[in-house]
Amino acid sequence: NAGVTQTPKFQVLKTGQSMTLQCAQDMNHEYMSWYRQDPGMGLRLIHYSVGAGITDQGEVPNGYNVSRSTTEDFPLRLLSAAPSQTSVYFCASSEGRGDTQYFGPGTRLTVL
Amino acid sequence: ILNVEQSPQSLHVQEGDSTNFTCSFPSSNFYALHWYRWETAKSPEALFVMTLNGDEKKKGRISATLNTKEGYSYLYIKGSQPEDSATYLCACYILTGGGNKLTFGTGTQLKVEL
Repeated sequence: NAGVTQTPKFQVLKTGQSMTLQCAQDMNHEYMSWYRQDPGMGLRLIHYSVGAGITDQGEVPNGYNVSRSTTEDFPLRLLSAAPSQTSVYFCASSEGRGDTQYFGPGTRLTVL
Repeated sequence: ILNVEQSPQSLHVQEGDSTNFTCSFPSSNFYALHWYRWETAKSPEALFVMTLNGDEKKKGRISATLNTKEGYSYLYIKGSQPEDSATYLCACYILTGGGNKLTFGTGTQLKVEL
């Protein structure tokens, strides 16, 4: 099992550009989440999904879109990148509500 | 926004010392409390998931307790080793009408020195 995979590992964008961060898991987990990690802020939830076709907003959803067309994939789209979105992004999955989160390796994004 | 607080923010101990950290969270509508270990340049890895008041979990030299009535959890490390150096995160899962989300604290950064 590869677990949770994320691509790319590093990305530099210019303000206003759009891009998609990819996340996939091969554990057949229903729950998937996107977090961002900023110094002194811990991990903050951006969006989450409780199953294919079902998504909801987390604590800091503005500027991001998600979709969940399959159980395996949960991409995060930045619509128009801003310097405030410079962060490390982690995708995670869990079997069910409140269960252990399995994290991907992270994507370090810099927006100039 | 749910408040999950961890203390201390950072800690320096000597090899062989025992240490403990605190995680506090709202006690109402509690569902689960998680502890994660996060090494630099890696991803967080789960240590424990606890759901019941009075739960105690142990993995090697690391153990955790849970008090859901007063809203706190302790993480203990016995005989700290340099490889225990990491950030320890707690996260709380609360059942709310607006959705069921895991909220993380900002972590306790542990440095174990020789």
